[in-house]
Amino acid sequence: DAKTTQPPSMDCAEGRAANLPCNHSTISGNEYVYWYRQIHSQGPQYIIHGLKNNETNEMASLIITEDRKSSTLILPHATLRDTAVYYCIVPGTASKLTFGTGTRLQVTL
Amino acid sequence: DVKVTQSSRYLVKRTGEKVFLECVQDMDHENMFWYRQDPGLGLRLIYFSYDVKMKEKGDIPEGYSVSREKKERFSLILESASTNQTSMYLCASSRRILLGEKLFFGSGTQLSVL
Repeated sequence: DAKTTQPPSMDCAEGRAANLPCNHSTISGNEYVYWYRQIHSQGPQYIIHGLKNNETNEMASLIITEDRKSSTLILPHATLRDTAVYYCIVPGTASKLTFGTGTRLQVTL
Repeated sequence: DVKVTQSSRYLVKRTGEKVFLECVQDMDHENMFWYRQDPGLGLRLIYFSYDVKMKEKGDIPEGYSVSREKKERFSLILESASTNQTSMYLCASSRRILLGEKLFFGSGTQLSVL
């Protein structure tokens, strides 16, 4: 699996955009970047994934750099309910997802 | 919506007991996974299966085994439970990841081994 690096924690004011970075410098050409989040005491929830192009859905936007070595998850208007641990994952050829420790996002009033 | 169901939300067992954690998915997914989650360590992959009767070791398989006799069901077995296996266990399923498919998780089983 390509290794990912995320900051351990971030804060964001409610209503502002939350920008969560991820480095994946060893990613190979056909590997997707996935983002999941885990709200306390629940199973992780899929947010978004992408290969090369930027992606947007109803939850978030994913910006992938041209060299694909890093990406940023954007929550455009963070709310208190977005407080969670966010995982950036690049699965390997074995089709398994290995989760690291992620970024703990705290959204505050 | 895909549903991944884990048989128990909370489970308390004694050291040395044989423990079965069951997981069922209803979307005909090929891949199924078992993770454990401990504070400060994130999610760690125990075993996964990409087809019936097929299994692959994850990052921490020691002390665990799995069974996948039917496509929809993936069981995690603790042959002789120990206190260091007290943890949150999460099951997940997906179609083949390389095709850009997403992973769906169950709600988790909090296992306490006394």
